[in-house]
Amino acid sequence: AQKVTQAQTEISVVEKEDVTLDCVYETRDTTYYLFWYKQPPSGELVFLIRRNSFDEQNEISGRYSWNFQKSTSSFNFTITASQVVDSAVYFCALIQNRDDKIIFGKGTRLHILP
Amino acid sequence: GAGVSQSPSNKVTEKGKDVELRCDPISGHTALYWYRQSLGQGLEFLIYFQGNSAPDKSGLPSDRFSAERTGGSVSTLTIQRTQQEDSAVYLCASSLFDEAFFGQGTRLTVV
Repeated sequence: AQKVTQAQTEISVVEKEDVTLDCVYETRDTTYYLFWYKQPPSGELVFLIRRNSFDEQNEISGRYSWNFQKSTSSFNFTITASQVVDSAVYFCALIQNRDDKIIFGKGTRLHILP
Repeated sequence: GAGVSQSPSNKVTEKGKDVELRCDPISGHTALYWYRQSLGQGLEFLIYFQGNSAPDKSGLPSDRFSAERTGGSVSTLTIQRTQQEDSAVYLCASSLFDEAFFGQGTRLTVV
């Protein structure tokens, strides 16, 4: 069975601190895709990144970076020098193959305090 | 269209009435999802359509909920005999291969 676990329900950090959001997944397939989505207070879910199971290269996009480690079945998301605008709920998600439905974690609510 | 479109954006209905929520996916996307999100909560999967395959209805909470997708495009989520616990934001998403793109949602309030 496939499953996504985001153990951190809620995190608060002071602006400019770095913060890492954890995501652990379970899947029986060797081919799968992982995602992160952001849901700001406005409510719309925004796609941030996709990673396939054959690409373990970490990715950096501005202040955002993602660490994909198959050995620990983790796909963690780090925000460097956090800003108040980063305050949102962040969801990690998994799709086992392209004909399967996407499975979402329960989300991590991130508060960046000024 | 440019993105996933949902209508109405807000719906207030009386307990016991039926409601229909509409989703227009991105043109060409074969997969369509419905999720429900209660205030401050995560995404609750409701139903998944993929091409011509039978839909995955495993997330529908009761037989009052149903959904259809006509012509592989527009989808309608119907809730019969609404209850107050049905109040939530209903989100639709579509995808072609992997990542899903979400609509703005329909906020349903049952009074």
